[in-house]
Amino acid sequence: GDSVTQMEGPVTLSEEAFLTINCTYTATGYPSLFWYVQYPGEGLQLLLKATKADDKGSNKGFEATYRKETTSFHLEKGSVQVSDSAVYFCALNDYKLSFGAGTTVTVRA
Amino acid sequence: NAGVTQTPKFQVLKTGQSMTLQCAQDMNHNSMYWYRQDPGMGLRLIYYSASEGTTDKGEVPNGYNVSRLNKREFSLRLESAAPSQTSVYFCASSEMRTRDRATGELFFGEGSRLTVL
Repeated sequence: GDSVTQMEGPVTLSEEAFLTINCTYTATGYPSLFWYVQYPGEGLQLLLKATKADDKGSNKGFEATYRKETTSFHLEKGSVQVSDSAVYFCALNDYKLSFGAGTTVTVRA
Repeated sequence: NAGVTQTPKFQVLKTGQSMTLQCAQDMNHNSMYWYRQDPGMGLRLIYYSASEGTTDKGEVPNGYNVSRLNKREFSLRLESAAPSQTSVYFCASSEMRTRDRATGELFFGEGSRLTVL
């Protein structure tokens, strides 16, 4: 079945560092791909999405490009802030939403 | 805007007790979902309702029942709680129907933390 594999954490960074979280997927169809973020004590919220190959999703300085040839949707941000500390989930949606295990990111001042 | 509202936020049960988690959304969404979140396992789908009047099993339905009471409300019931059901439960809603090509996003509640002793 459809599945998502994302980089294990936790990841600890200093402010202004570059962040990459790897995500690869397995799907039989042509899924939409998502990154969700969960801040401490809150539910998940959509960070960005891409619905077809070569689409780039972006939001709040984060970017991810839908790469069909490598079945990947890696999340990147060029300069992280303390407020980016959260758990990040990669997800795909063909007929239902499948989530990765989540990557905990901590940014230190 | 309330969005997706879950109650209760915290609950402690003894093994064998029953309880119902309530969820309501005010966005007129067709689809609603119940997930559980466990450390290192991400979110796993328990049940979903593609539209009012329908419910379907997700990845981990055993030990749970659901009711789509109307378009707004989707409840999750534990008939006889077990320690393995200790988890954080999230309700979500979306406009998409599960059988369509998915382009929509899910809107999540704040979660319900359940401990079964």
